[in-house]
Amino acid sequence: DGGITQSPKYLFRKEGQNVTLSCEQNLNHDAMYWYRQDPGQGLRLIYYSQIVNDFQKGDIAEGYSVSREKKESFPLTVTSAQKNPTAFYLCASRGDRGHEQYFGPGTRLTVT
Amino acid sequence: AQSVTQPDIHITVSEGASLELRCNYSYGATPYLFWYVQSPGQGLQLLLKYFSGDTLVQGIKGFEAEFKRSQSSFNLRKPSVHWSDAAEYFCAVGSMDSSYKLIFGSGTRLLVRP
Repeated sequence: DGGITQSPKYLFRKEGQNVTLSCEQNLNHDAMYWYRQDPGQGLRLIYYSQIVNDFQKGDIAEGYSVSREKKESFPLTVTSAQKNPTAFYLCASRGDRGHEQYFGPGTRLTVT
Repeated sequence: AQSVTQPDIHITVSEGASLELRCNYSYGATPYLFWYVQSPGQGLQLLLKYFSGDTLVQGIKGFEAEFKRSQSSFNLRKPSVHWSDAAEYFCAVGSMDSSYKLIFGSGTRLLVRP
């Protein structure tokens, strides 16, 4: 059963702590993306990776970091430098033949 | 810069009525266009996509969308809405830079009256 998994579904952290969100895909896609969603807004790109061991900043990369050591995995770390980290985070992947992206179920992060 | 506008924040329709959700984009060339649906607290599901060719595209769950270059629009339609269609709908355009990222509109929340 192919798809994208994100864990955990809900995450609570105190200010000043780093937190890592997991994203795994078994679609054999090279490209993976992290988006942030805030209420009443569309999705905004944080980071993306077109291939293993390579990644690029998106539109709102400040306060975030990523790694891409395996094709299947693209974890996102929300650092203490991110000023407003509370949001819904969505991971997506894209195949080689088209521009459409397939999304995971998301992780809701709450920082207090 | 590419952008997407969804002018309606909320739309309410009665079950069984027809639906049209508006989407306008800004881009000079023929864009890659998408409609996604999101249920509360869930990820996004692809409804349909337009790359080229026939300007009327069919998607899943009985949805269709029409690309109109002259109006820079890609409106989503459904002839008869079901209560299960209540969700948030996002229009997106594919970036033509090397990221291939999606640029999203701010979404339209659909409410369905019984």
